[in-house]
Amino acid sequence: GAGVSQSPSNKVTEKGKDVELRCDPISGHTALYWYRQSLGQGLEFLIYFQGNSAPDKSGLPSDRFSAERTGGSVSTLTIQRTQQEDSAVYLCASSGTSGRNNEQFFGPGTRLTVL
Amino acid sequence: AQKVTQAQTEISVVEKEDVTLDCVYETRDTTYYLFWYKQPPSGELVFLIRRNSFDEQNEISGRYSWNFQKSTSSFNFTITASQVVDSAVYFCALSDSNSGYSTLTFGKGTMLLVSP
Repeated sequence: GAGVSQSPSNKVTEKGKDVELRCDPISGHTALYWYRQSLGQGLEFLIYFQGNSAPDKSGLPSDRFSAERTGGSVSTLTIQRTQQEDSAVYLCASSGTSGRNNEQFFGPGTRLTVL
Repeated sequence: AQKVTQAQTEISVVEKEDVTLDCVYETRDTTYYLFWYKQPPSGELVFLIRRNSFDEQNEISGRYSWNFQKSTSSFNFTITASQVVDSAVYFCALSDSNSGYSTLTFGKGTMLLVSP
């Protein structure tokens, strides 16, 4: 079956522009996660969606970052007024019927470069 | 607060050598979960193992083995008879009540280079 997919695979943008990153989780997975991987910071949690519950946004680094999950499936991570420090690989993951302790399946990531 | 430390930034070995990747974690919980992921050059994180805090039995899967020691808060990963295809970045991760046992706190990773 299809794994987690992310688009675009690469995104180059200019400082100050807005970007949208998309994640398609594995069909039937109710939990969806966004992480950011950057040099020097490793892998950082950004936001977590579980079913219809309010998302856990505790990892978002600033109010320029937001995410939505429509219809309990596809998610979009939006970064407004991008800064050079936003350059990183943004990883999406999903897990099964309960997010608790379940194996998270990761997508290939979107490499964002802010010039 | 929870924390995962992978002190080895990069390890280089020659094929067929055994190699151990260290992982030390911090948590105030008695119930928690530990994970190892592999990130090959393609970039996609691949799940290797999940272990709960009540199960200290060591696990072996083919050439891979894991040593969980609660007394030293360590969850080390050993690859026996390493192969070039083992070259990747390996991440240790933790989930505990601070994250609702859902999101993962990752170490910074250890890059393993296996040369022929």
